[in-house]
Amino acid sequence: EAGVVQSPRYKIIEKKQPVAFWCNPISGHNTLYWYRQNLGQGPELLIRYENEEAVDDSQLPKDRFSAERLKGVDSTLKIQPAELGDSAVYLCASSQDEAYEQYFGPGTRLTVT
Amino acid sequence: AQKVTQAQTEISVVEKEDVTLDCVYETRDTTYYLFWYKQPPSGELVFLIRRNSFDEQNEISGRYSWNFQKSTSSFNFTITASQVVDSAVYFCAPTLTGANSKLTFGKGITLSVRP
Repeated sequence: EAGVVQSPRYKIIEKKQPVAFWCNPISGHNTLYWYRQNLGQGPELLIRYENEEAVDDSQLPKDRFSAERLKGVDSTLKIQPAELGDSAVYLCASSQDEAYEQYFGPGTRLTVT
Repeated sequence: AQKVTQAQTEISVVEKEDVTLDCVYETRDTTYYLFWYKQPPSGELVFLIRRNSFDEQNEISGRYSWNFQKSTSSFNFTITASQVVDSAVYFCAPTLTGANSKLTFGKGITLSVRP
């Protein structure tokens, strides 16, 4: 069974530029999560989807971050414009539902210069 | 809100030693789940174990075992006969159920297993 797929793996951009991350969850997993992990810290949830509905986006900085999950499968996370403090690893995870373990993708390491 | 404390920041052991990773959590809820994840140097988080708050039976799975004590809000994880491949950062993460489901990760414990 294929795991969670994320792309790109690495991204370097200048501040004020836009950037987008893509995630393909494990087939059949209805719940999809985006996390941000800063160096030396544990991941922090940005947004959680149940199918195509964002059920928890309380930690998403909505002035510059946006996300979508069309058709309840793939998801895209966007930052526009990026700031220096956005440099981090962005992780996507999926699970059967909220009660089950989450499976994580390899992450996208974003560097904003 | 939930909170996780992983007081140990770094642990170094010699291969074949047993090692216990401590986790203390805070939650006001009576029903929740507890997880341990591992993050090796490659960076990908790997699911290890899951526990329900209403089941305090401790188990062993291969070289892994865990001690869940709801009365003290602790969920400790033990690796028996550690191996070099166990070197990673280990995260304890409780989550609520239902609409408020969200893993709350601690800062992690960096485990180094020396040959």
